[in-house]
Amino acid sequence: DTAVSQTPKYLVTQMGNDKSIKCEQNLGHDTMYWYKQDSKKFLKIMFSYNNKELIINETVPNRFSPKSPDKAHLNLHINSLELGDSAVYFCASSQGRGQGTDTQYFGPGTRLTVL
Amino acid sequence: QKEVEQDPGPLSVPEGAIVSLNCTYSNSAFQYFMWYRQYSRKGPELLMYTYSSGNKEDGRFTAQVDKSSKYISLFIRDSQPSDSATYLCAMSGAQKLVFGQGTRLTINP
Repeated sequence: DTAVSQTPKYLVTQMGNDKSIKCEQNLGHDTMYWYKQDSKKFLKIMFSYNNKELIINETVPNRFSPKSPDKAHLNLHINSLELGDSAVYFCASSQGRGQGTDTQYFGPGTRLTVL
Repeated sequence: QKEVEQDPGPLSVPEGAIVSLNCTYSNSAFQYFMWYRQYSRKGPELLMYTYSSGNKEDGRFTAQVDKSSKYISLFIRDSQPSDSATYLCAMSGAQKLVFGQGTRLTINP
């Protein structure tokens, strides 16, 4: 009964490849997020969707494209992978739109390594 | 200058010690302040949140916010080995959380 789940947990790939990470939440939340955590543990938001509508789109390369088929799923597709994309990617969800005390629940992370 | 600054540590203390973790920030629009705990190879989980200036206590944990100094703290009393984790401060701006770098804490038995 995992609240926020991500697949795969580990992803090792070559530069230039295209890959996808999937996220699902069973909490009935309206908003989902993608975060990137670099090797120095710095966690930064990339995107957020509220009821399938994009509400936050931080300055990330357009090689990264989120897709939300329904409010329980938010996938992240990455084209033409680069060495600098190596990081841990976290999916999260919250009931509201991420303001105030709206608690975000994080998935276990996907550790992406680009060789 | 980052919006939120946090000493990454690492910080190592003996069991039972009082731990103080701190963050400073530059954006005076932040109103909500959180502390997340992240165990190794896991996602962050919310530990505590505080609105505006003041203190909040939850068991062995106390969060303090001083908006005039743009400074927040998390105190852990009677620290336990199970408290060993990375602690990230986070602040709520317009529809997004801004995180500090995280402080890696180890409690030695």
